[in-house]
Formats: sequence, structure tokens, C-alpha cells
Amino acid sequence: DGGITQSPKYLFRKEGQNVTLSCEQNLNHDAMYWYRQDPGQGLRLIYYSQIVNDFQKGDIAEGYSVSREKKESFPLTVTSAQKNPTAFYLCASSMRGEAFFGQGTRLTVV
Amino acid sequence: DAKTTQPPSMDCAEGRAANLPCNHSTISGNEYVYWYRQIHSQGPQYIIHGLKNNETNEMASLIITEDRKSSTLILPHATLRDTAVYYCIVRVKGNTPLVFGKGTRLSVIA
Repeated sequence: DGGITQSPKYLFRKEGQNVTLSCEQNLNHDAMYWYRQDPGQGLRLIYYSQIVNDFQKGDIAEGYSVSREKKESFPLTVTSAQKNPTAFYLCASSMRGEAFFGQGTRLTVV
Repeated sequence: DAKTTQPPSMDCAEGRAANLPCNHSTISGNEYVYWYRQIHSQGPQYIIHGLKNNETNEMASLIITEDRKSSTLILPHATLRDTAVYYCIVRVKGNTPLVFGKGTRLSVIA
């Protein structure tokens, strides 16, 4: 099936540890995006990439890093510098039109 | 910041039409109106988009005023599964990121 896969669905980490969230798409889309969602809030843009080997910071990039070495993959690393990492993380992709979202990864840092 | 204004919540009786309004008074000539919805703890789902003409698909209809400063998403026969947060977004067509506001929480009541 074509689509966007985020894994894992739930992730637990200890405070101070870096953690990488996976996002893979087989839609052949050029652009990919990472959003963060806190309870009762809308989605906020962390990073986006419009083409392989290029990416831009979104509104809340501090404490996060990304890479885009392959068209189909856009992993997000939540570093220890992110002061409040517990949240719902959503990945999306698009090709000059509507964006399609994965089902999200719920990260809990304890 | 989001360029749209939506009511925070609405109720709709099951089987009736749900009409969700959106104001976008600063929309530019090349910006489209996109609608997404997010069912609890899932990734947002694309519904419909339009530039200036009314649009209809299997999920909904989109009515855009002639001056393009507002629009209405219509779910013709709401079901309990339509209970979700609905987001109205203005965006140029292409790979620019979606900017989410807080959306409208639609509750469909039996």
C-alpha cells in the first residue's frame, strides 16, 4: 500500500537521551514535513524538506535535528536540548498539492 | 501564524448537514483554501481544497465566497464518525508547509 509510515507508534525515553523518530513514504513525494502537537493544540512545524539533501527550520526547530539523505525518508532526532519533548509527532509528505500525514508517534520522556 | 479564523467548537445532529465556517480575509490571489480533519490521536486527513470555485468530492463540499474572504465546509449528512477537529488552511499550491490554527472541534450527536 502507498502511504506514510511512522514508527514506532509509542516511544518512551529517559530524560537526557536523544531519540530518533522514523518517517518513510513510498508516494514518491518531493516534500516532507515534521510537526509537533501538544494536548488540545494545533500542529506546529518543526522542520521541512522540499528536496533531497535540503531542509529548512520551522517555527519550533530548537532541540531537534533532521536529515534527508533519501527521498523516501525524513528521520527526526529529538535531542537532549529539547526542554519539553513529550508530545505527539506527525510526519507528512506532499507533491505540489495536498499533504498526506502518517499516524504519528507519541513520545513520552520520563 | 495561521491566516484563518474558525469557531472553536460546533455541534451537529447525526444525519443533518454540518456547516463549518472559516474566515480568511487576508487571503492572497494565489492562495488556495484547504480543509483537513483530525480524529482523536490520528494524523490529519485531507478533505478538500479550492481556489475560487465551489468544489465537491465524495467527502464534502467547499463553498468559497465571491470575494474569497471566507468559506464553508459542508458535510451533507454527518455521522458519528465525522466527530473530529476540522482545520481550514490557506496556502499556495505547491510544497510550502501547512500552517495550522486551532481548528473547529465538531461533535456529531446521535
